[in-house]
Amino acid sequence: DAGVIQSPRHEVTEMGQEVTLRCKPISGHNSLFWYRQTMMRGLELLIYFNNNVPIDDSGMPEDRFSAKMPNASFSTLKIQPSEPRDSAVYFCASSPTSKRNTEAFFGQGTRLTVV
Amino acid sequence: AQKITQTQPGMFVQEKEAVTLDCTYDTSDQSYGLFWYKQPSSGEMIFLIYQGSYDEQNATEGRYSLNFQKARKSANLVISASQLGDSAMYFCAMSSPQGAQKLVFGQGTRLTINP
Repeated sequence: DAGVIQSPRHEVTEMGQEVTLRCKPISGHNSLFWYRQTMMRGLELLIYFNNNVPIDDSGMPEDRFSAKMPNASFSTLKIQPSEPRDSAVYFCASSPTSKRNTEAFFGQGTRLTVV
Repeated sequence: AQKITQTQPGMFVQEKEAVTLDCTYDTSDQSYGLFWYKQPSSGEMIFLIYQGSYDEQNATEGRYSLNFQKARKSANLVISASQLGDSAMYFCAMSSPQGAQKLVFGQGTRLTINP
């Protein structure tokens, strides 16, 4: 199994530009999560999907952030417009069940730098 | 609200020694899960071990074991016979009572294994 695949691995963009991060979950997993990691705030859950449906987006920082999951094998996290404080590592993770207490498998992350 | 506390920002251990990484948690939920993840310098998040709140025995996975003390609300990770490759950030996490795997992470402990 290829694991969770994220692209790009690194992204540098100018403030005000739109940024799209992509994720391919592990085949057969029906839960997908977007996390953000910063030095100041650590790892934070932004949003998660179950069977392609957004279940909880309470962690999305503001309206500039949006996430979609058009099918079971693809999800995007979009930031428009981007700001320097959005600089972070963004992780996508997937899990094989919506039940609690099943580990999530993480992608390698996308390191976003907004200048 | 759930909270994970990792009080050791950094630890230095000699190779082949055992090491204990501390984790305490706070929750009012009766059913929950506790997880440990490893994040090497390459950045990916690697699942290590899981403990359910109703599990009577401490979880073990190879050189990893979880010292679960429910009354004290602690879930310490024990690594036996440490290796140079164990040098990494280690995160303790808890599953949320709001369903699925909304993981709440601690701030992490940076473990350095000295030869």
